[in-house]
Amino acid sequence: ETGVTQSPTHLIKTRGQQVTLRCSSQSGHNTVSWYQQALGQGPQFIFQYYREEENGRGNFPPRFSGLQFPNYSSELNVNALELDDSALYLCASSLTAGNTEAFFGQGTRLTVV
Amino acid sequence: GEDVEQSLFLSVREGDSSVINCTYTDSSSTYLYWYKQEPGAGLQLLTYIFSNMDMKQDQRLTVLLNKKDKHLSLRIADTQTGDSAIYFCAESGYGGSQGNLIFGKGTKLSVKP
Repeated sequence: ETGVTQSPTHLIKTRGQQVTLRCSSQSGHNTVSWYQQALGQGPQFIFQYYREEENGRGNFPPRFSGLQFPNYSSELNVNALELDDSALYLCASSLTAGNTEAFFGQGTRLTVV
Repeated sequence: GEDVEQSLFLSVREGDSSVINCTYTDSSSTYLYWYKQEPGAGLQLLTYIFSNMDMKQDQRLTVLLNKKDKHLSLRIADTQTGDSAIYFCAESGYGGSQGNLIFGKGTKLSVKP
């Protein structure tokens, strides 16, 4: 059983650019959630995807968007990057949307300069 | 609004017990969680407790829940240097699943030999 994998591990982008982060969910899991963790803070919920549909969204602007594919892997896209978008982006997968246990990937460290 | 509060730092000696405290505001939370994050890593689920329980024990970990006071604690018995990490308390958001978790800012546990 493979765990949750995220790519890339580190990324540096310039303000105004666009970025795509990727997440492969754990085998058999159909639900993926994305979180943003700024330095020294706890993770903040961005959105969740369940069976390729958005299933809840946190307080993030529309320039944060996502996709989930038929194999349940997922992408997080951020347009018009701002300096404050610099953070660790975490992906978590769970067996299904109502499941109590979710498993986190190692995260992607995004730096916006 | 929903909020989770934790003290930021805790220092203990190896072999002692550690107690990390957390308060939350959303009385409708179905589950409450403890996560561990080591430097440069993602989140590891340590344990969780259903809101109708008041205690849960799992090897060296004991979780106590006081629902009236909205207070959650994590006790680590016989703390080891490998337990040094940041510990996050989290409550379940909409739907009670782990997809929408509200995290505290984390408590940095330092274990001195």
